Amino acid sequence: SAVISQKPSRDICQRGTSLTIQCQVDSQVTMMFWYRQQPGQSLTLIATANQGSEATYESGFVIDKFPISRPNLTFSTLTVSNMSPEDSSIYLCSAAGTGDRSYGYTFGSGTRLTVV
Amino acid sequence: RKEVEQDPGPFNVPEGATVAFNCTYSNSASQSFFWYRQDCRKEPKLLMSVYSSGNEDGRFTAQLNRASQYISLLIRDSKLSDSATYLCVVNEANTGRRALTFGSGTRLQVQP
Repeated sequence: SAVISQKPSRDICQRGTSLTIQCQVDSQVTMMFWYRQQPGQSLTLIATANQGSEATYESGFVIDKFPISRPNLTFSTLTVSNMSPEDSSIYLCSAAGTGDRSYGYTFGSGTRLTVV
Repeated sequence: RKEVEQDPGPFNVPEGATVAFNCTYSNSASQSFFWYRQDCRKEPKLLMSVYSSGNEDGRFTAQLNRASQYISLLIRDSKLSDSATYLCVVNEANTGRRALTFGSGTRLQVQP
């Protein structure tokens, strides 16, 4: 399965600023996803990053707050905009090929974000 | 109602014990089922897929009951290294086209 490099691994940011998280996959993948994991909670899907088109957002998440780019089949970014302390969380990207079942769903190592 | 429900635990068991985790899912259209393991401050990693016929991988046995929309994981002869959070995961598709839906996780602590 694919290997994902996610960065930064952690950051401490001031409220009102924005942070862009990058995920680079070592091979072309059809699907990429962005999740959030708040302390003590499970993973919540933010959006599906579509190559060459706008991301598909889940209920409760909007493009203005979490703009996503996916310029090609190996790279995606998630920006957390106008941050507030409530955005403090772990953000994870995931990638899968359409031919894969779960063994194809690789995760990045996560970005631990603290907003102060 | 959550799409995937698990007992959060924690389950505190001695080494060598057998422990079972259960999970229910609400979407009858779910096609594929998995258990993931997540260690503290790490990303989730696939433990095993779950099939209707049941499947075993060493000390781990997973079972699926589609009629009851119920998934289980059994760990035999628990090791200290089994301490982690176990996530029940379902997917509406059999391929990678859909995102995974995660349960909230069951925390296991194996004690010496």
